Amino acid sequence: GAGVSQSPSNKVTEKGKDVELRCDPISGHTALYWYRQSLGQGLEFLIYFQGNSAPDKSGLPSDRFSAERTGGSVSTLTIQRTQQEDSAVYLCASSSGLAGGVGGELFFGEGSRLTVL
Amino acid sequence: SQKIEQNSEALNIQEGKTATLTCNYTNYSPAYLQWYRQDPGRGPVFLLLIRENEKEKRKERLKVTFDTTLKQSLFHITASQPADSATYLCALRPYGNNRLAFGKGNQVVVIP
Repeated sequence: GAGVSQSPSNKVTEKGKDVELRCDPISGHTALYWYRQSLGQGLEFLIYFQGNSAPDKSGLPSDRFSAERTGGSVSTLTIQRTQQEDSAVYLCASSSGLAGGVGGELFFGEGSRLTVL
Repeated sequence: SQKIEQNSEALNIQEGKTATLTCNYTNYSPAYLQWYRQDPGRGPVFLLLIRENEKEKRKERLKVTFDTTLKQSLFHITASQPADSATYLCALRPYGNNRLAFGKGNQVVVIP
């Protein structure tokens, strides 16, 4: 697609429920990143994919969080047994090069806003 | 610990003036530093990249400097316009790491 697409754009769920957030990166981008942004806070790194593998998942806050990527394209971030502190905007980004370097600028989606009641 | 610091106070500036934002970092040795713009309810958008061996980079009304001795980058918006009102984030990737670390951002409000 033309840009990074994320769904749902908004999700309200009850504490204890599981949620899945989807990211469709720019076609051909091999790197995919998930970040979390809480109100008034900066972007918190969660996980990085290169192709279908995740060399760096050190930012996942707990074992309730998991992510996968299939076909080198779409990624799903799953949060099990949601807690109120999980409420945030979850941002996905893709990149054609090494993050931060030349050609490695991140292209972000518009985010999925998660509210846990 | 590693830190990327940006001013938490919004910068209010008169239209036509130059806005200057600061990004300071600690315990990083980045090869590159990037600046992004974020509007409310939107994802960040890439603006500029500067390499460690570059002192200055320009793009239209934007100028970025990078001082690896001071561990600081300055971001300038010249001839500011109300449409420049947004939050600006600096980001860097340290050697040996594929994640991009972001500062919390600095809000700019351009007053007509």
